[in-house]
Amino acid sequence: QKEVEQDPGPLSVPEGAIVSLNCTYSNSAFQYFMWYRQYSRKGPELLMYTYSSGNKEDGRFTAQVDKSSKYISLFIRDSQPSDSATYLCAPGLTSNTGKLIFGQGTTLQVKP
Amino acid sequence: KAGVTQTPRYLIKTRGQQVTLSCSPISGHRSVSWYQQTPGQGLQFLFEYFSETQRNKGNFPGRFSGRQFSNSRSEMNVSTLELGDSALYLCASGQTGEASYEQYFGPGTRLTVT
Repeated sequence: QKEVEQDPGPLSVPEGAIVSLNCTYSNSAFQYFMWYRQYSRKGPELLMYTYSSGNKEDGRFTAQVDKSSKYISLFIRDSQPSDSATYLCAPGLTSNTGKLIFGQGTTLQVKP
Repeated sequence: KAGVTQTPRYLIKTRGQQVTLSCSPISGHRSVSWYQQTPGQGLQFLFEYFSETQRNKGNFPGRFSGRQFSNSRSEMNVSTLELGDSALYLCASGQTGEASYEQYFGPGTRLTVT
């Protein structure tokens, strides 16, 4: 079993739709939960992160962590064609390490 | 602030050769991590260097090695290249302490082994 599972998609939605991207993980020691966005032929860019359980909102993006069920979600409201990219979840163990375990990534296409 | 830079951006090598990739982190960042990205396996952690010391290591064979210099720049070396080493190699830099989980990635070096 992989430490982080993520449906690779692709996921295709019309512009303006609400998008839900999800990951599950197996290691209960994960404390930090990052979401990265990767455009084609680019390196991943940090989108947002949460610490432990709870929600965090940043503009059109909301990250949600449920540690009891080991479930991570990213919601995108009012999706735009510019949101078309691959989204990767990446839990981390502790603050003092650069090691991240990435999910496979979900490819999202937002159609105008 | 300048972002993470990686050189070269593209590389073609022959099986059996060795290769060295370079990464310059964001100014002030002391942590440098390396990842391999392939369509089949996704992003996999190779190793992390902090203050010239390897702090974490992933599950890759000993053919993959790295080092970090006193100015935090890092190099990654792959010896005896195999066809399966063809991948995008990404470097990420991070701060120290509480924010070190925030990794900032470079554009990557695309390595093709023929």
